Amino acid sequence: KAGVTQTPRYLIKTRGQQVTLSCSPISGHRSVSWYQQTPGQGLQFLFEYFSETQRNKGNFPGRFSGRQFSNSRSEMNVSTLELGDSALYLCASSTGLNYGYTFGSGTRLTVV
Amino acid sequence: GDSVTQMEGPVTLSEEAFLTINCTYTATGYPSLFWYVQYPGEGLQLLLKATKADDKGSNKGFEATYRKETTSFHLEKGSVQVSDSAVYFCALPYSGGGADGLTFGKGTHLIIQP
Repeated sequence: KAGVTQTPRYLIKTRGQQVTLSCSPISGHRSVSWYQQTPGQGLQFLFEYFSETQRNKGNFPGRFSGRQFSNSRSEMNVSTLELGDSALYLCASSTGLNYGYTFGSGTRLTVV
Repeated sequence: GDSVTQMEGPVTLSEEAFLTINCTYTATGYPSLFWYVQYPGEGLQLLLKATKADDKGSNKGFEATYRKETTSFHLEKGSVQVSDSAVYFCALPYSGGGADGLTFGKGTHLIIQP
């Protein structure tokens, strides 16, 4: 059974650019959530999608956005990148909160 | 909002020592509680969970009991191995008003020495 796949694994962008990260959930998982992990702030919830609808959103500026497609694949976009956006971005999928989440290996974004 | 507090470490132990990683939470009601583990260079893995008060979650020799009286979910293992070296995160559902998503503690870096 394939796990959660995130692409790309590593990314280097310049301040002011935008970036799109991709997440393919486990087959049959309709809930996809995104997290930002930094040494200073730890793991922070970005947003969660279910059946193409954003159900929940963390405390991040509007530069962070996402979407989910009909096949449950999800993308997140960060516009006007700042140095502080450098982080490991993790995606997780689930059949429901109480079943726990399966995480991907993450995309390491470096903004220079 | 809901939050999780856990010891950050690093916690350094010798192989076969007893492990306790403390986790306390602030939440409305009695949410499900989780422990996740992150090995170097990898994403997070669900270690164990408890979905209601007094439940005990267990996996791979690790245990944690949901204590509503003390709002705690401490992680324990009787005899740690070098392979247990990782970062451990306590988590509960995000309380932003929607259905899913997790709030994590800061993580506890565990180092097991042979």
